[in-house]
Amino acid sequence: EAGVAQSPRYKIIEKRQSVAFWCNPISGHATLYWYQQILGQGPKLLIQFQNNGVVDDSQLPKDRFSAERLKGVDSTLKIQPAKLEDSAVYLCASSFYNEQFFGPGTRLTVL
Amino acid sequence: GQQVMQIPQYQHVQEGEDFTTYCNSSTTLSNIQWYKQRPGGHPVFLIQLVKSGEVKKQKRLTFQFGEAKKNSSLHITATQTTDVGTYFCAGSSGAGSYQLTFGKGTKLSVIP
Repeated sequence: EAGVAQSPRYKIIEKRQSVAFWCNPISGHATLYWYQQILGQGPKLLIQFQNNGVVDDSQLPKDRFSAERLKGVDSTLKIQPAKLEDSAVYLCASSFYNEQFFGPGTRLTVL
Repeated sequence: GQQVMQIPQYQHVQEGEDFTTYCNSSTTLSNIQWYKQRPGGHPVFLIQLVKSGEVKKQKRLTFQFGEAKKNSSLHITATQTTDVGTYFCAGSSGAGSYQLTFGKGTKLSVIP
């Protein structure tokens, strides 16, 4: 069974630039999550989708972050403009029931 | 909002020693999950506990959920070098809720 795919794996940008991350969940998983994991901390939920609808985006900094899940499959997370404190690993996860399957993440460095 | 705290933050053990990490929630949980993240890797699901006082075992790993459903622990017997990584607890509140609040994790180092 293929796992959660994410791209790119690494991204280096300068502050105020824009960046987008892509996630392809496990086939058949209706729920998709985006997490931000800062070095030395646990993953922090940014947004949760159920199919193509948003379940929870209460911790998403909506002035600069946006996410969509068109057709209820793939998802993209965008940051515009990026700040230094956005440097982190962005993890995508999907679930069918309760167990969450994480992708390899995208390591973002903002200079 | 819900907070999940984990202690200790770091633990260094000699191979063969036991290891325990503790997790406490500021609110009553409907369930708690445990994940392991190897260095440079992503979190991998270990187990979910749902019932008050529940105890589950996976080989050398023992997981407990407190009677009040506000705390949990993971105990590893006779650690091995393959146990190295960060162990996260993640709590969920509300029936049917799959949204998780992760603790900061306990980073386990095993000295051969």
